[in-house]
Amino acid sequence: SAVISQKPSRDICQRGTSLTIQCQVDSQVTMMFWYRQQPGQSLTLIATANQGSEATYESGFVIDKFPISRPNLTFSTLTVSNMSPEDSSIYLCSVSDGLLGNQPQHFGDGTRLSIL
Amino acid sequence: QKEVEQDPGPLSVPEGAIVSLNCTYSNSAFQYFMWYRQYSRKGPELLMYTYSSGNKEDGRFTAQVDKSSKYISLFIRDSQPSDSATYLCASRGWGKLQFGAGTQVVVTP
Repeated sequence: SAVISQKPSRDICQRGTSLTIQCQVDSQVTMMFWYRQQPGQSLTLIATANQGSEATYESGFVIDKFPISRPNLTFSTLTVSNMSPEDSSIYLCSVSDGLLGNQPQHFGDGTRLSIL
Repeated sequence: QKEVEQDPGPLSVPEGAIVSLNCTYSNSAFQYFMWYRQYSRKGPELLMYTYSSGNKEDGRFTAQVDKSSKYISLFIRDSQPSDSATYLCASRGWGKLQFGAGTQVVVTP
């Protein structure tokens, strides 16, 4: 399966600032996703990163708060904007080679974000 | 109601025992079923991937899907302390992947 690298692996940020998380894959993949994982909770899909077009956001997530880029088939970024303590979480990049949902998703190791 | 329900545990077993993990799902359109293992400070790692009903075995791991009862199971034989992790089940049809909350498993030497 693809090797997925996320940067940074962790960060501590000040309230009101923004942080951009990078996701690099070692091979071209069809689908890239961004998830949030809060302690003791299930993974929540933030958005699907679409190459060459705007990301598709899930209910409760908006582009102004979580702008996403996907310039090619191996790279994506997620920005967490105007951060507040409620944004403290683990952010995970996930990839899949299937357009039809018949391929499994693989995950990076995540970015652990703490907001002071 | 969540689309995939999973007991959060923790589930504690002695080394060598069989670990039995279960999930239920509500959407009859789900066709793809996955189990992930997540160690502390790591991302979820795909363990098993099955389509429709039936059993799939991979080494010490066996995944079972019963679509008639909407029940998903993972069995770990001859459990080892290195199996201590959180196990997440996930399912989908043609839409987004739906995850359970994860079950924490502790295998004691």
